[in-house]
Amino acid sequence: QVQLQESGPGLVKPSETLSLTCTVSGVSVTSTTYYWTWIRQPPGKGLEWIGYIYHSGSTNYNPSLKSRVTISLDTSNNQFSLRLTSVTAADTAMYYCARATVPLDYWGQGALVTVSS
Amino acid sequence: SYVLTQPPSVSVAPGQTASITCGGNNIGSKSVHWYQQKPGQAPVLVVYDDTSRPSGIPERFSGSKSTNTATLTITRVAAGDEADYYCQVWDSSSDYWVFGAGTKLTVL
Repeated sequence: QVQLQESGPGLVKPSETLSLTCTVSGVSVTSTTYYWTWIRQPPGKGLEWIGYIYHSGSTNYNPSLKSRVTISLDTSNNQFSLRLTSVTAADTAMYYCARATVPLDYWGQGALVTVSS
Repeated sequence: SYVLTQPPSVSVAPGQTASITCGGNNIGSKSVHWYQQKPGQAPVLVVYDDTSRPSGIPERFSGSKSTNTATLTITRVAAGDEADYYCQVWDSSSDYWVFGAGTKLTVL
């Protein structure tokens, strides 16, 4: 069955780069059907769409984060990744990866990333 | 940017019907999706494309829509339905995915 799992450091210093990887099983990230998506949720707050990558490598990002975000695809390992530069405390959140056809039908369990010195 | 408006909270007694609204300008022209998030868990898709249910979601969960409001209806509410519920659309004009702020459903 389809599974997604986030991995990466749980603590990042201010001004540094947050990097997370989502490992996908049960479906290929080269499938032409799906958008591979990152969403985040600050503690006690709602969901925020970060962006997605398509099988072709084309991307689309939340305008509020666009200058700092890169999402990339690693087809050899069936993974996709998130990089967020110049982080601040406001970037502290649970980060989720998900599969979408626009509705997000499969989600990872989430990775908590705290920005602190 | 496109904005979705949800009530912060809805309360309902067990066995009754809960209705959670999601307001947006001309939301009737967009496909609306609903997610349930229980504490400490990832969100789960409960309704997609306005009215469809994914496999495994009970028939008690249903969606509807009018020109400017989408509604998630949960019948015969049980304690296990207590969660945060989020609506979501794709704003085609900006190719931007939007979530509502979420509604906390409390079962009294």
